[in-house]
Amino acid sequence: AQSVTQPDIHITVSEGASLELRCNYSYGATPYLFWYVQSPGQGLQLLLKYFSGDTLVQGIKGFEAEFKRSQSSFNLRKPSVHWSDAAEYFCAVGARGGADGLTFGKGTHLIIQP
Amino acid sequence: DAGITQSPRHKVTETGTPVTLRCHQTENHRYMYWYRQDPGHGLRLIHYSYGVKDTDKGEVSDGYSVSRSKTEDFLLTLESATSSQTSVYFCAISEPVQETQYFGPGTRLLVL
Repeated sequence: AQSVTQPDIHITVSEGASLELRCNYSYGATPYLFWYVQSPGQGLQLLLKYFSGDTLVQGIKGFEAEFKRSQSSFNLRKPSVHWSDAAEYFCAVGARGGADGLTFGKGTHLIIQP
Repeated sequence: DAGITQSPRHKVTETGTPVTLRCHQTENHRYMYWYRQDPGHGLRLIHYSYGVKDTDKGEVSDGYSVSRSKTEDFLLTLESATSSQTSVYFCAISEPVQETQYFGPGTRLLVL
């Protein structure tokens, strides 16, 4: 069975500082990987996805993520965070592109300090 | 934004009462999903559908049933609601070619 671990429940970052959110997955084949963001009281918005090819993927809002097969990781990064980035971030893994549903991590709550 | 609506957006009900949540899409996507979101658990898949009248169970399907009689509508039913089903319910849609799920705004359900 597939699984996703987001080791950090909460992360606090100063505005303008760099950010890295960790995601480790367990899956028997080539995974399809996603990062979603959820602002308070809102639905989930797709930040970026990895299916194949270049292991460094670019997403919206200046985010990027790197797929490292050897480490079973898909960490999310941003060089300089803005106060509006405060939200809950979810990593997810899917089989066959997620047609059978996604398995989500428990999320990382990002707090931005002024 | 993907054309996904969920109704109702908020509902308070009593234990033992049947409840039906509706997900409606205007994208004509083949796949539809129901997830629940609970603190400390992320999102967990309840049921999904890969076409009209074609559905399958997810990770946390006990106590839930679904129906899909039209491409655009996917209904989630709690036959007899329990307090453990208090949650936020999200619908999602995807297409085999795109293989990315897009989420609705969610339904907040409180079972007293």
